[in-house]
Amino acid sequence: RKEVEQDPGPFNVPEGATVAFNCTYSNSASQSFFWYRQDCRKEPKLLMSVYSSGNEDGRFTAQLNRASQYISLLIRDSKLSDSATYLCVVNTNAGKSTFGDGTTLTVKP
Amino acid sequence: DTGVSQNPRHKITKRGQNVTFRCDPISEHNRLYWYRQTLGQGPEFLTYFQNEAQLEKSRLLSDRFSAERPKGSFSTLEIQRTEQGDSAMYLCASSMTGGSSYEQYFGPGTRLTVT
Repeated sequence: RKEVEQDPGPFNVPEGATVAFNCTYSNSASQSFFWYRQDCRKEPKLLMSVYSSGNEDGRFTAQLNRASQYISLLIRDSKLSDSATYLCVVNTNAGKSTFGDGTTLTVKP
Repeated sequence: DTGVSQNPRHKITKRGQNVTFRCDPISEHNRLYWYRQTLGQGPEFLTYFQNEAQLEKSRLLSDRFSAERPKGSFSTLEIQRTEQGDSAMYLCASSMTGGSSYEQYFGPGTRLTVT
């Protein structure tokens, strides 16, 4: 079993839809959590950090459930430009980051 | 441009040759990370430095791989006696410690093809 697991998708949604991705992690000592976005053949770009209280940035909402060891990302009012792979990242100690394999989202007109 | 830079962007080499990649982090960042990514997978941790100290190294990093960060600024990743299985994108990232700690910012990567 991988340390960080994501549903690979693909998720194909129409513009304007709301879509949610989940990510589970196995190490209960994990300390910090992030969502990254990766476009095809490009480097990952930080989308948002995930805080215990949940956090929102525009159309994007991230939540953390430490008891169940999962992280979620909600995208509202999807845009064509949201099409990308979304990577869940867990820091299991102060230095090492473990990435999920990503969930692919395609937003269609 | 003050982001993370990597050179070269592409490298094609023959099996058995040695290759070296360079990463220049964001200047005020004291942590530097190396990852490897293959198609359909997330980035896979290789190693990281805090200043010039290499603090952790993945078990995946065989003795053919070595990384240095001699003055706590840029870093190099060397692969000796390359194998076809080394073909991948090699990504470098940097971060601060403390504050919004461990938010990593990635360079554009070096794509290695071993023929």
